[in-house]
Amino acid sequence: GAGVSQSPRYKVAKRGQDVALRCDPISGHVSLFWYQQALGQGPEFLTYFQNEAQLDKSGLPSDRFFAERPEGSVSTLKIQRTQQEDSAVYLCASSPLHPVEPQHFGDGTRLSIL
Amino acid sequence: EDQVTQSPEALRLQEGESSSLNCSYTVSGLRGLFWYRQDPGKGPEFLFTLYSAGEEKEKERLKATLTKKESFLHITAPKPEDSATYLCAVNYGQNFVFGPGTRLSVLP
Repeated sequence: GAGVSQSPRYKVAKRGQDVALRCDPISGHVSLFWYQQALGQGPEFLTYFQNEAQLDKSGLPSDRFFAERPEGSVSTLKIQRTQQEDSAVYLCASSPLHPVEPQHFGDGTRLSIL
Repeated sequence: EDQVTQSPEALRLQEGESSSLNCSYTVSGLRGLFWYRQDPGKGPEFLFTLYSAGEEKEKERLKATLTKKESFLHITAPKPEDSATYLCAVNYGQNFVFGPGTRLSVLP
C-alpha cells in the first residue's frame, strides 16, 4: 500500500494481558516513530528507529513497553502486563529521513484495557 | 522547560468566516515546525513544514507562517470540510514534540 498501515485497528485486552501492535511503514522510509495519543491530546513520542536501530526510547513510559524493528521495515510495539492507563490510541509514523522531514502517520490502533 | 502550546483549544466558525490558529513554542534550536490536520479516528495528515522565521506556505484555504516564537495557521473563507483538529509539532535536536491541538468546527 501507499501509506502507513497499522494493525489491528482496535484491540481490547484484560488488565494484565500482553498485547502486540504492528506497523507497516511506507516502503523505503528509513525512520519510524511510535506515539501514544490520549483522547483530546496531541500525540506523545514513545520511541524512534532509524532502520533497525532504536535510537531513542526515552518516551516509553515503563519497562513494560518494548518496541522492535528487526529488519528495518515492519515494527512491533509490545506492552506487557497491560494496565488501564495504557488505554490510548497508538500511532505509528514513518519518514524518509529524520529529523527535518515530515512524518506520515497511520490511522492508529485504539487500545482499550478492561 | 521546552514546550509547545496551541490556542485556542477549540474554535467555532461560520462558513466563510476567516480566522487564525496559534502555535507557540519555547524550544532551543528549532529545526522545523510542522502543521498536521487530524480527523476523528484517523492519523494526523501532513499539511506544511516551516524551517525558518519569515517563511510562509500556502495550500488552498490554508496559509502557515512562522516567527521566532510562534506559528500561525490562517484559514481563509473556511468550509465545513475544514472541520478537524489542527496539530502543530516542532523538531529540535532529535526531538519531535506535538502541541495539544485546536479543534476547529466550521458551521454551514
